Amino acid sequence: QKEVEQDPGPLSVPEGAIVSLNCTYSNSAFQYFMWYRQYSRKGPELLMYTYSSGNKEDGRFTAQVDKSSKYISLFIRDSQPSDSATYLCAMSGPTGNQFYFGTGTSLTVIP
Amino acid sequence: GAVVSQHPSRVICKSGTSVKIECRSLDFQATTMFWYRQFPKKSLMLMATSNEGSKATYEQGVEKDKFLINHASLTLSTLTVTSAHPEDSSFYICSASKGTDTQYFGPGTRLTVL
Repeated sequence: QKEVEQDPGPLSVPEGAIVSLNCTYSNSAFQYFMWYRQYSRKGPELLMYTYSSGNKEDGRFTAQVDKSSKYISLFIRDSQPSDSATYLCAMSGPTGNQFYFGTGTSLTVIP
Repeated sequence: GAVVSQHPSRVICKSGTSVKIECRSLDFQATTMFWYRQFPKKSLMLMATSNEGSKATYEQGVEKDKFLINHASLTLSTLTVTSAHPEDSSFYICSASKGTDTQYFGPGTRLTVL
């Protein structure tokens, strides 16, 4: 079983829709959870960072972590064509330098 | 804060030559730097992890003699692709970490070997 599972999509939604992106993981020791956005031919850009469980909101983006279910989500409200990108989830544990990435979900927002 | 730069952004070289890519953390000291390779429409593939002043730890299947990593300071790591071949053509991305919480990525370097 992979440490982190993420549906690769592709996901296509109309402009203005609410987008839900998800990852599941197997290691209960993970404490730091991140979402990155990667545009084509660019490096990933950190979108959201959450420590432990709970919700975090930043503008149109909301990150949720449910440690009991080992499940994290990223919600995008009022999606825009500029949100079209690949979204990567990532997580790391309490010690060491090991990070685990999902395979990425490709999102297209249609005008 | 937490800006990471890479240089060059694009490089084209002849087969058999060596290419050096620099990764710099501009506004923080990076305890660890990572090097990734990414093929078109594929996920990140971790190549190696390096800590300042020590040897890099390479992932299984990555040739350490081909991909030389030097992490000379807390703000600079370099990846040298030695004796490059067309199959080494790829998008190389570095990232830097202050600790265990998160990684900050550079913009990537597109390498084309003719």
